[in-house]
Amino acid sequence: DAKTTQPPSMDCAEGRAANLPCNHSTISGNEYVYWYRQIHSQGPQYIIHGLKNNETNEMASLIITEDRKSSTLILPHATLRDTAVYYCIVVQTGANNLFFGTGTRLTVIP
Amino acid sequence: DGGITQSPKYLFRKEGQNVTLSCEQNLNHDAMYWYRQDPGQGLRLIYYSQIVNDFQKGDIAEGYSVSREKKESFPLTVTSAQKNPTAFYLCASSIGGELTYEQYFGPGTRLTVT
Repeated sequence: DAKTTQPPSMDCAEGRAANLPCNHSTISGNEYVYWYRQIHSQGPQYIIHGLKNNETNEMASLIITEDRKSSTLILPHATLRDTAVYYCIVVQTGANNLFFGTGTRLTVIP
Repeated sequence: DGGITQSPKYLFRKEGQNVTLSCEQNLNHDAMYWYRQDPGQGLRLIYYSQIVNDFQKGDIAEGYSVSREKKESFPLTVTSAQKNPTAFYLCASSIGGELTYEQYFGPGTRLTVT
């Protein structure tokens, strides 16, 4: 069941930061926010996850609002290879699987 | 290099035939998963296995079967009972436990049944 809302598509200029929003207003205290992306005709790729603190790794940053009802995935310097569908997933510890909705299709424009 | 392999990349079958999709991982992961993806849609879980010789149904298991005889292998059989088998099939694995949700995916097998 979808617990997240994402815009269906976004564009971003190459070299600029891509900010992908995700609304998860019904998230509960023990649920994490995970982000994956899927480049066309490939398997999804794990990007980052967080509970309530902001997180950063070599791929992206994850900003979670204080009330945890929304988050933003930030790709600091988007490249053409970042063109993909980005999935925001809320998952409860102990759940058996991830629910991949339809995500946001990010197109990086030269 | 560690990773997940799925073969073949493209598979064509006639209606009424069973077909088995291969998934192998050399990541030493305990958990493995099978997902199905239809055009323009997200992924849906078919089966998952958290340990050798054990597996559970996911959201859309009807018409599919799996086995997990070895840690490295989790083949999926699409049976003739599956009404709409044409889809993109993705296999994934994870360490399990607290890292269950950091899943590594294979390149997928695109199955076409006519």
